[in-house]
Amino acid sequence: AQTVTQSQPEMSVQEAETVTLSCTYDTSESDYYLFWYKQPPSRQMILVIRQEAYKQQNATENRFSVNFQKAAKSFSLKISDSQLGDAAMYFCAYRSARGMDSNYQLIWGAGTKLIIKP
Amino acid sequence: EAGVAQSPRYKIIEKRQSVAFWCNPISGHATLYWYQQILGQGPKLLIQFQNNGVVDDSQLPKDRFSAERLKGVDSTLKIQPAKLEDSAVYLCASSHDGGTPPLHFGNGTRLTVT
Repeated sequence: AQTVTQSQPEMSVQEAETVTLSCTYDTSESDYYLFWYKQPPSRQMILVIRQEAYKQQNATENRFSVNFQKAAKSFSLKISDSQLGDAAMYFCAYRSARGMDSNYQLIWGAGTKLIIKP
Repeated sequence: EAGVAQSPRYKIIEKRQSVAFWCNPISGHATLYWYQQILGQGPKLLIQFQNNGVVDDSQLPKDRFSAERLKGVDSTLKIQPAKLEDSAVYLCASSHDGGTPPLHFGNGTRLTVT
């Protein structure tokens, strides 16, 4: 079974600095998706960035980028120029790219709380 | 496009009472999910619908939880009777179909059982 591990329960960063959140996963599959979701106090899960496993190029969305290391099964999120609005829980998630509909479940990490210091 | 709508935002009930949550997915999205998120944890899938059929309800406590998605659009999740351990945020999400990420989430309902 697939698992997702986020080893940092909490991280803090000074406003305008860069922070990296860690995520590792375990799978025997070769084709899958990885996601980072942000959950602010409003509770809505917001997709930050996604990565398809078959793509070697790391995904980037404005100030957010990932370091995808497929062999090491590592998927870290880098936030550049941190802003107060980035404060939230960040969840890493895995999803198989193949199989029946029931196999398309998201496998979630436990989350990392990001604190932005003004 | 309008997002996933959920109501109510908050609900406080006493144990052994019943409660219902409502979700309206993004228009055209065939797949609808209900998640339970206990404080400090990642979401746990309770049930997944494809149109109005159930794809996966393996983690739904069927002795007290029920869900339906009539006409393949909006959905309700019910708990009867509620227990203290049901206190959580209940998230609804939808996707175009089961095979196409990502999921789009609503704002969730925070349930407190006293």
